[in-house]
Amino acid sequence: QKEVEQNSGPLSVPEGAIASLNCTYSDRGSQSFFWYRQYSGKSPELIMFIYSNGDKEDGRFTAQLNKASQYVSLLIRDSQPSDSATYLCAVNTGGFKTIFGAGTRLFVKA
Amino acid sequence: EAQVTQNPRYLITVTGKKLTVTCSQNMNHEYMSWYRQDPGLGLRQIYYSMNVEVTDKGDVPEGYKVSRKEKRNFPLILESPSPNQTSLYFCASSLERQSEAFFGQGTRLTVV
Repeated sequence: QKEVEQNSGPLSVPEGAIASLNCTYSDRGSQSFFWYRQYSGKSPELIMFIYSNGDKEDGRFTAQLNKASQYVSLLIRDSQPSDSATYLCAVNTGGFKTIFGAGTRLFVKA
Repeated sequence: EAQVTQNPRYLITVTGKKLTVTCSQNMNHEYMSWYRQDPGLGLRQIYYSMNVEVTDKGDVPEGYKVSRKEKRNFPLILESPSPNQTSLYFCASSLERQSEAFFGQGTRLTVV
């Protein structure tokens, strides 16, 4: 069974701090990796995607991928209360299936 | 506006009464999926479709049917709903299989 694992949290950080969200996956053939943000009662929306090893930055968000360690992370700099949400890691294994982690709940305290 | 539209948003039904949840996208995407989301389990894929008349099972297909007669529409059918199908359902579409997914607003289904 191919798996995507995330710490369910909640992860609590003060406003202005860096939030670090982590995800591991089991299928070494995985090719594309996504981070979605989901507010309570809402649908997931894409934050970042990454295909290659290394870092990818977009504004306050940085995705990091290490395929050797089967590890992908999301850093949120200068965290804001509006960043409080559940963050879903999703992995596409190269087929037609995308597997989602159960999500990490993030709370940013004002 | 590019969007994925699901209907209904909320549905309460009784065990065994057939129902259909509709999904429509206006982005000309080839790839569409249905997911269910349950607490602690995340999003689990029910069925997906690579194009018109091409569908396949995801990880939790039991008790569900789908069809893809037109590119824009991908309805989810529960022939005989049971209480264990009470969940939050999302339809999603993608331009291609490895690209980002655009999600509908979700359908909260309760089967009593």
